[in-house]
Amino acid sequence: AQSVSQHNHHVILSEAASLELGCNYSYGGTVNLFWYVQYPGQHLQLLLKYFSGDPLVKGIKGFEAEFIKSKFSFNLRKPSVQWSDTAEYFCAVSAAGNKLTFGGGTRVLVKP
Amino acid sequence: DTAVSQTPKYLVTQMGNDKSIKCEQNLGHDTMYWYKQDSKKFLKIMFSYNNKELIINETVPNRFSPKSPDKAHLNLHINSLELGDSAVYFCASSQVSGRRITGELFFGEGSRLTVL
Repeated sequence: AQSVSQHNHHVILSEAASLELGCNYSYGGTVNLFWYVQYPGQHLQLLLKYFSGDPLVKGIKGFEAEFIKSKFSFNLRKPSVQWSDTAEYFCAVSAAGNKLTFGGGTRVLVKP
Repeated sequence: DTAVSQTPKYLVTQMGNDKSIKCEQNLGHDTMYWYKQDSKKFLKIMFSYNNKELIINETVPNRFSPKSPDKAHLNLHINSLELGDSAVYFCASSQVSGRRITGELFFGEGSRLTVL
C-alpha cells in the first residue's frame, strides 16, 4: 500500500525566507506526485504535479518541487515566501489504483 | 462557475441523527471521491466512484453510505451520527484511465459537520 510522510508538522518563518518542505513516499512502482495547498478556511488547490519528464517541476505562486526517484522524495521549495503563503501544505501520491494518498500536512506560518 | 460544489457548507446536528451531503461536478470527470479531514487536518479517502460504480471503499463504518446517481453527482449519507464523525468532508473529482489518475483532483469547498 502506498503511504506518504511529511517530515515537518509545523514551520514558522519570516517573510523573504526560503521554504523547503520534505515529502517521502513508499511505493516501488510508477507514481504521480502532487503538492496541494489549503489556505485557512478554504479547499485544497493544486500547487504543482509530476507525472513524468523533467524531475524539477515548477508550479504556481513561485513554488517548485524536485522528484528524486532514488530517494522516493518530492520536496517542495520556494526561494522567498510571503505572508500570503501561510497555509497547510499537503504532499500526495497516486500509484496503483485511482486514489490519491495524502501526507499528514505541514502547517506553514509566515510572519510579516 | 464552480467546478465541484458541495452542499451544505455547514451542518450542525445532534448525535443519533441522519444527515446527507451532496456533491456535483461540472468538469466531465468520470471519477468522484469523498475525503474526510479531521481536526488535525489529516486527509483520508473514504470512497471513490467511477462512472457510478463504487471502486474504493476504505475502512469506513457502514453508517456511511455513498450514492452516485450519475457520474456528475456523488452524495454521502450518514446514519446515527456520532461525535467522532465531526470533521470536514471534501468531495473531489478526477479523470481516470486504466485505473490511474490522469490529472489532478479538483476539490469542493468542504462541508463542515459538527455533531453535538
